[in-house]
Amino acid sequence: NAGVTQTPKFRVLKTGQSMTLLCAQDMNHEYMYWYRQDPGMGLRLIHYSVGEGTTAKGEVPDGYNVSRLKKQNFLLGLESAAPSQTSVYFCASRGQFLGELFFGEGSRLTVL
Amino acid sequence: ELKVEQNPLFLSMQEGKNYTIYCNYSTTSDRLYWYRQDPGKSLESLFVLLSNGAVKQEGRLMASLDTKARLSTLHITAAVHDLSATYFCAVVASGTYKYIFGTGTRLKVLA
Repeated sequence: NAGVTQTPKFRVLKTGQSMTLLCAQDMNHEYMYWYRQDPGMGLRLIHYSVGEGTTAKGEVPDGYNVSRLKKQNFLLGLESAAPSQTSVYFCASRGQFLGELFFGEGSRLTVL
Repeated sequence: ELKVEQNPLFLSMQEGKNYTIYCNYSTTSDRLYWYRQDPGKSLESLFVLLSNGAVKQEGRLMASLDTKARLSTLHITAAVHDLSATYFCAVVASGTYKYIFGTGTRLKVLA
């Protein structure tokens, strides 16, 4: 079972460039999440979605946009990358019965 | 706004010893989760605590939840090297679907 898949796994950007991270889940989950992980700061919620066509802001949404056009996919976009967005990004989907999050393997983004 | 604090942030312990990691949160919640992360890896679900007084155990780890005190504990019994990892708690504020994580506790078990 694939579970939650993130692409790409690694990416290097220059300041001002744009990019999109793709998260795909095959568990038919309604809720999906994007987090960033930085040393000493745990995971911080960027945006989340409670269903197809819906998105909502998390703790640190500035500089990011998201879209949930299909239930299985949740896209995270950076319109104009900044060095402060250098981080490891994790996508997760929420299990239907116990509500635990299932995480992808992460995407390491470096902005120069 | 929900805040989640873990302590200690770092823990170095000898094999065979016991210790407890604490997770405090600031607003009402009735569900709390514990995760484990190995270096360079993703997060793996350990425990799901869905009600006041809930206690779950798996091997040398035991988690509990006190919603009145807004406190969860992760107790390690007779630590072994394989438990070395970073442990996170995550809390869902009542009435929302936001999962807010603590800063994590980096555990190192010395052989």
